[in-house]
Amino acid sequence: GESVGLHLPTLSVQEGDNSIINCAYSNSASDYFIWYKQESGKGPQFIIDIRSNMDKRQGQRVTVLLNKTVKHLSLQIAATQPGDSAVYFCAETRDTGRRALTFGSGTRLQVQP
Amino acid sequence: DTGVSQDPRHKITKRGQNVTFRCDPISEHNRLYWYRQTLGQGPEFLTYFQNEAQLEKSRLLSDRFSAERPKGSFSTLEIQRTEQGDSAMYLCASRAGTGGSLETQYFGPGTRLLVL
Repeated sequence: GESVGLHLPTLSVQEGDNSIINCAYSNSASDYFIWYKQESGKGPQFIIDIRSNMDKRQGQRVTVLLNKTVKHLSLQIAATQPGDSAVYFCAETRDTGRRALTFGSGTRLQVQP
Repeated sequence: DTGVSQDPRHKITKRGQNVTFRCDPISEHNRLYWYRQTLGQGPEFLTYFQNEAQLEKSRLLSDRFSAERPKGSFSTLEIQRTEQGDSAMYLCASRAGTGGSLETQYFGPGTRLLVL
């Protein structure tokens, strides 16, 4: 399949290491944030979300941190596996009604076996 | 598989032709979105439906683009007089409602359009 994100920043990690992917969001009024994983030729896959009234949320092997002061979001992946290799996007939204997502530019994660 | 399906998965057309894409959201989801994604970029919002009502259209949605959701279930996106700049992945997403996990948008696999 075709590649997603040919010229994206790339994070290369060894299998088993922890990965940290960062994102700067643009709108201080955004109140809901989501991390998506996108593999080549596929649509974005939901990983984890967080609301603006929280600063940390944990899922299975993933943690999202939110720093509203500097408008920064990070995704931590524990014990990174080859299947985690993909492009990761953060998305933000406000307005409870429509909730159209604004996506960041994405980071390519490459996991070396 | 998120439960959102799109058809076709790939479409090659000549400049000036019309194309139509279909999205079937998760069955209980009444909110539906179309996004466009070009290589190296994140998806960009095009339009939003709540049930059958189209409530918002992005400025990216030129007059050549039209979207419908006639019965509040599946949706179609039509592009008339396609241009090479329309080449992109067209993504559909749906969500269940407002509040908590109901607000998560789930994406389909996309339709990759190539205009020659």
